[in-house]
Amino acid sequence: GQQLNQSPQSMFIQEGEDVSMNCTSSSIFNTWLWYKQDPGEGPVLLIALYKAGELTSNGRLTAQFGITRKDSFLNISASIPSDVGIYFCAGPPGGANSKLTFGKGITLSVRP
Amino acid sequence: NAGVTQTPKFQVLKTGQSMTLQCAQDMNHNSMYWYRQDPGMGLRLIYYSASEGTTDKGEVPNGYNVSRLNKREFSLRLESAAPSQTSVYFCASLRGRTEAFFGQGTRLTVV
Repeated sequence: GQQLNQSPQSMFIQEGEDVSMNCTSSSIFNTWLWYKQDPGEGPVLLIALYKAGELTSNGRLTAQFGITRKDSFLNISASIPSDVGIYFCAGPPGGANSKLTFGKGITLSVRP
Repeated sequence: NAGVTQTPKFQVLKTGQSMTLQCAQDMNHNSMYWYRQDPGMGLRLIYYSASEGTTDKGEVPNGYNVSRLNKREFSLRLESAAPSQTSVYFCASLRGRTEAFFGQGTRLTVV
């Protein structure tokens, strides 16, 4: 079953606000990934994190690899309408044959 | 750059019919995956192929078969479609073990 936990399922914010999402797991992950899915499209990679404690930015997006290796955070600053979509965390759990696993995603709505 | 191409984009099947979803990538990646996406369930792995000639089951393989025809192509077959297989299907090609590039999806309805 799913090993990555994302909640809540939906978030509603006002344009211009900052928003933070987190992703947790009971297993250790060696890589944390954040994807965004626009309506009607496939997910697209936003940020990849490869080391515990790593903090990486991509424009208004900032993500962090938790030091326990069991969680990760994504922050979006100064939200705009095009930030609407589903945000997934993903990663391969530790182990030689682990496969890329996705969380259930958080649907973000931005009110103008 | 085409990236990952899936066909068809939309399909309606009757219960019991069969069909094959096609996926091709032009990035010379070894690994290819098939996911299904249902509301509130995220992306669940159906089958994957770590390299040409190999395939393995994922989280929800029942009712599906796959073929890794060559390095570029990875197809998903529904032998006898059921309403529970109504979903959006995504093919992905992986760079390394982590960076997945997705197709635009196939929206399948089984009536």
